Amino acid sequence: QVTLKESGPGILQPSQTLSLTCTFSGFSLSTYGMGVGWIRQPSGKGLEWLANIWWDDDKYYNPSLKNRLTISKDTSNNQAFLKITNVDTADTATYYCARELPGMDAWGQGASVTVSS
Amino acid sequence: DIQMTQSPASLSASLGETVTIECRTSEDIYSNLAWYHQKPGNSPQLLIYDANSLADGVPSRFSGSGSGTQYSLKINSLQSEDVASYFCQQYNNYPYTFGAGTKLELK
Repeated sequence: QVTLKESGPGILQPSQTLSLTCTFSGFSLSTYGMGVGWIRQPSGKGLEWLANIWWDDDKYYNPSLKNRLTISKDTSNNQAFLKITNVDTADTATYYCARELPGMDAWGQGASVTVSS
Repeated sequence: DIQMTQSPASLSASLGETVTIECRTSEDIYSNLAWYHQKPGNSPQLLIYDANSLADGVPSRFSGSGSGTQYSLKINSLQSEDVASYFCQQYNNYPYTFGAGTKLELK
């Protein structure tokens, strides 16, 4: 059974760095073809793809976030990470991680992040 | 970026009815398209990948079709548990992009 769970700070202030962790089980990011992606969703709004990382350490980012994103992984501990620098109120959202196969076939429950002064 | 135009934005249908949701892309995505639904308070769930392949555990009343720039999701014999928002997503080009969503309600 594939499961993923996001964790994050909950609340942070503008200009801080958001650090998110995705802890997963049921698959390995060292397996050929596996990937983990990050997606966010402001309350009541649509989905925005942010970044993904693959078994071979290839990484892809959404250029709309202008180099604020860094994705990484710890294969031995079954974790993936996302950092977003210089956050502001527009980054307030629920952040999801998902396994990518193609299609995102398993999602975490989401981590709610609020940016507020 | 590939633009995703999803229609309709909202849809009201009766139990047992067949509904269709459309997704048009700004360029050919070679069937690299997925459909998800998201029930209130829950995470999105994969329904269809590669435009027409049913994801594991998804009821066969869901089906996907299309090619090039035009894709559709069909739900046969609508059930109460199908009330949700539906999203299409392309994964042919980076950045991946999603449709704006279709909110499906019961009439």
